[in-house]
Amino acid sequence: AQRVTQPEKLLSVFKGAPVELKCNYSYSGSPELFWYVQYSRQRLQLLLRHISRESIKGFTADLNKGETSFHLKKPFAQEEDSAMYYCALGDGSARQLTFGSGTQLTVLP
Amino acid sequence: NAGVMQNPRHLVRRRGQEARLRCSPMKGHSHVYWYRQLPEEGLKFMVYLQKENIIDESGMPKERFSAEFPKEGPSILRIQQVVRGDSAAYFCASSPIGGGAGNEQFFGPGTRLTVL
Repeated sequence: AQRVTQPEKLLSVFKGAPVELKCNYSYSGSPELFWYVQYSRQRLQLLLRHISRESIKGFTADLNKGETSFHLKKPFAQEEDSAMYYCALGDGSARQLTFGSGTQLTVLP
Repeated sequence: NAGVMQNPRHLVRRRGQEARLRCSPMKGHSHVYWYRQLPEEGLKFMVYLQKENIIDESGMPKERFSAEFPKEGPSILRIQQVVRGDSAAYFCASSPIGGGAGNEQFFGPGTRLTVL
């Protein structure tokens, strides 16, 4: 069965500090992983996906199959990064997404 | 493009009533997904539909829940004889292509259902 674990419900960092949001997954096949973000009063939107190996808004995430992790990182957090972040796992066709329970990131001034 | 539309945004029902949630996908999208989010939890997949077809309903409760996506009009998630445990946020997403590596799902704002 697919499972996504985000161990931190809440995470606070100061502006300019590095931030890492943890995500671990369990999946027997070849995983497709995503990070979604929900800013206050906005809808859920895709931040980045592992196959693109891209950096969006300064965030990166590397798939580590050995540790079954897909942690989201940013070297210097900004106040506008404050939001709810969800890690999601796609099945082979990426039709069905399995979401973690989310981490609320607060970047303090 | 207005994005994925869901209505109503908030819905209050008494136990035993029916709830109908509507989702209009983005223009040009013919694939719709429904997710449910209980308090303090992540989104849970319920069903995936294409026009006039249910492709994957592995996440749907066996009773009282049904979904459709007719040729014309929005997708409907229908919950009959609601119970308090159905109180949740229901999200709809759409995509132009049904799955495939890196395919993005675009989410609506959700409908918050409260069962009294």
